[in-house]
Amino acid sequence: NAGVTQTPKFQVLKTGQSMTLQCAQDMNHNSMYWYRQDPGMGLRLIYYSASEGTTDKGEVPNGYNVSRLNKREFSLRLESAAPSQTSVYFCASSESPGGVTDTQYFGPGTRLTVL
Amino acid sequence: AQSVTQPDIHITVSEGASLELRCNYSYGATPYLFWYVQSPGQGLQLLLKYFSGDTLVQGIKGFEAEFKRSQSSFNLRKPSVHWSDAAEYFCAVGAPNQAGTALIFGKGTTLSVSS
Repeated sequence: NAGVTQTPKFQVLKTGQSMTLQCAQDMNHNSMYWYRQDPGMGLRLIYYSASEGTTDKGEVPNGYNVSRLNKREFSLRLESAAPSQTSVYFCASSESPGGVTDTQYFGPGTRLTVL
Repeated sequence: AQSVTQPDIHITVSEGASLELRCNYSYGATPYLFWYVQSPGQGLQLLLKYFSGDTLVQGIKGFEAEFKRSQSSFNLRKPSVHWSDAAEYFCAVGAPNQAGTALIFGKGTTLSVSS
């Protein structure tokens, strides 16, 4: 039981490049989330998916898109990376549909640098 | 709107000493409250949570937290700190019965443990 997995672990991009961060969970959870973590800012929600087939914006969605590919997988795409998107990205999942009051289980993170 | 404040950015405690990390929240009703811990280079792990009932909740690794409605606080405590407790700690609040929202995290408190 791997829990929440994220790929890649590290990535360096040049301004304007695109990339997709992958996330998968094997706990049969309904809800999945993408956060970014910046020094002194805590975690801020980018997008979330309360159930398969639905996605909603969080606090900081600009510059990102997401896809809930199936119940297991939730990807985050940067279409044209900017230095302001340098951050550590965490994927999380929780059991209930839209159950944001459930315990969230986090992946190990992707450290992204945009030059 | 919900918000979470962790007043202490960084705390240093001697090994074996007691610990209290402060968390204040802003929400109109009784929220769902969480404490997460993040070890260096890792994702977040749930320490404990409060939904209702007994206002003193026990968590993993010997941590406990007390919900005080009158003070809008949910402070985390540990009687005797171990060197392995050095990490970053996040308080978070979730709104019950509001599907489609998400956890709001505080900005975190970094705990250092001195020998």
